[in-house]
Amino acid sequence: GAVVSQHPSRVICKSGTSVKIECRSLDFQATTMFWYRQFPKQSLMLMATSNEGSKATYEQGVEKDKFLINHASLTLSTLTVTSAHPEDSSFYICSARSPEKLFFGSGTQLSVL
Amino acid sequence: GENVEQHPSTLSVQEGDSAVIKCTYSDSASNYFPWYKQELGKGPQLIIDIRSNVGEKKDQRIAVTLNKTAKHFSLHITETQPEDSAVYFCADYRGYSSASKIIFGSGTRLSIRP
Repeated sequence: GAVVSQHPSRVICKSGTSVKIECRSLDFQATTMFWYRQFPKQSLMLMATSNEGSKATYEQGVEKDKFLINHASLTLSTLTVTSAHPEDSSFYICSARSPEKLFFGSGTQLSVL
Repeated sequence: GENVEQHPSTLSVQEGDSAVIKCTYSDSASNYFPWYKQELGKGPQLIIDIRSNVGEKKDQRIAVTLNKTAKHFSLHITETQPEDSAVYFCADYRGYSSASKIIFGSGTRLSIRP
C-alpha cells in the first residue's frame, strides 16, 4: 500500500512551547490529508481536513488557532500545536488519501510537561 | 446521522479459532468500508476494504462481508495467530469529493490466547 511518513514519532516539550508534526505522502500525491487525535483506548477523533493550497477545515470544537495546519504541497502537511499545555498531550495521527483509500502515518506521541 | 457502531469492544479467542467483528452504519450514501488494524503506539494499517457494489471480499485469512440492506459489514479472521492481537477499527466512507469524511467505529481490542 501507499506510504505515509509522519515525524517525529515522539516529542516531549515544556508547557508554552510550540510543536510541529510533519506528514508526508512518499509515493503518491495527496490533495487531501487528515489529522486525528487519539486518546488511550479510544477511537480516532478527526481534528481537521487539510487541503493542498487552501485553508484547512476544522471539526467542531477544535481550535484553529491552537492547531495550525499547513498543506503547502501535494506531499506535505504540517500540524503545529501552538503554546502547548499538558491537556494537549495525546497521540496525533495523520492520514492521506490515494485517491479514495486512506493511509495513515505512524503517529506522534506528544507529551507536554 | 454520522454513526458507525462496532461490536464487540473486546474479543478474546483461542489461537487457531476464528474472530468476527461487526459494524453497523446509518447513512445509505456510504459506499466504501475499510478495516484498519492498529498495534500499540502505531498508526492504523489498512488490512482490507470493500465497496458497496460487492458483497464479500477475501484476502488470505481475512475476509469482509457487506449487507447493504441491513447496513452492516463484518470482518472475519480465520486461523487466528498471536500477531493478530491488536485493535481493529471499521470505518465508513462517503463519496470521493474533497469534503468526504471517514467515520470510524469505536474499535475492537482482539486478544489471541495461546
